[in-house]
Amino acid sequence: EVQLVESGGGLVKPGGSLRLSCAASGFTFINAWMSWVRQAPGKGLEWVGRFKGKTDGGTIDYAAPVKGRFTISRDDSKNTLYLQVNSLKTEDTAVYYCTASITISRVVISGGALDIWGQGTVVTVSS
Amino acid sequence: DIVMTQSPDSLAVSLGERATINCKSSQSVLYSSNNKNYLAWYQQKPEQPPKLLIYWASTRESGVPDRFSGSGSGTDFTLTISSLQAEDVAVYYCQQYYDPPHTFGPGTKVDIK
Repeated sequence: EVQLVESGGGLVKPGGSLRLSCAASGFTFINAWMSWVRQAPGKGLEWVGRFKGKTDGGTIDYAAPVKGRFTISRDDSKNTLYLQVNSLKTEDTAVYYCTASITISRVVISGGALDIWGQGTVVTVSS
Repeated sequence: DIVMTQSPDSLAVSLGERATINCKSSQSVLYSSNNKNYLAWYQQKPEQPPKLLIYWASTRESGVPDRFSGSGSGTDFTLTISSLQAEDVAVYYCQQYYDPPHTFGPGTKVDIK
């Protein structure tokens, strides 16, 4: 079964840090393009960033509001994606979703649309 | 950044009737080298993560009912639900994945009239 399971969310004070994890199963992780998307309470979806798969160069892109504070990394040996979130602000409060764009024969089927979504992990930034 | 807009913000449609959602991008998301539009549609039901419905602007994801269809090219796109069912009540988002950041539209809420 194709699955993404996030963990690591919680309550943190402004200026604090967290590391979110996303455990993947059921697909070829090493070639998948992995992304983080967040959703503030009662709001729409916001793209956070993407880490391309190994066969596509493994490049990383970030949204402007998080660039320099958030870092996406991956451990292909553990089929796990990470999001290190530093210098947290109250406006970072959101559900953080891990997503995947999966491949067949090393080709991203959808070209980068977000095929698979986890259930999300909640990050609350408050004093 | 590419800005995505959607209209309407919300709509209410009778069961079995057609629902149409529009999405517009601030610049073209058509990649000339492969003639593909880097535009996706997602459905989010209450208390659930989003689900991919359509990619390449018009390709239905596996398992998505054929009452959902996507159309358009360049900067103007449409998601159509041909015959609204009760289980289609949700918020629908478009997203461009042509150029990072891969921005989403603000969403359109679909309800039953």
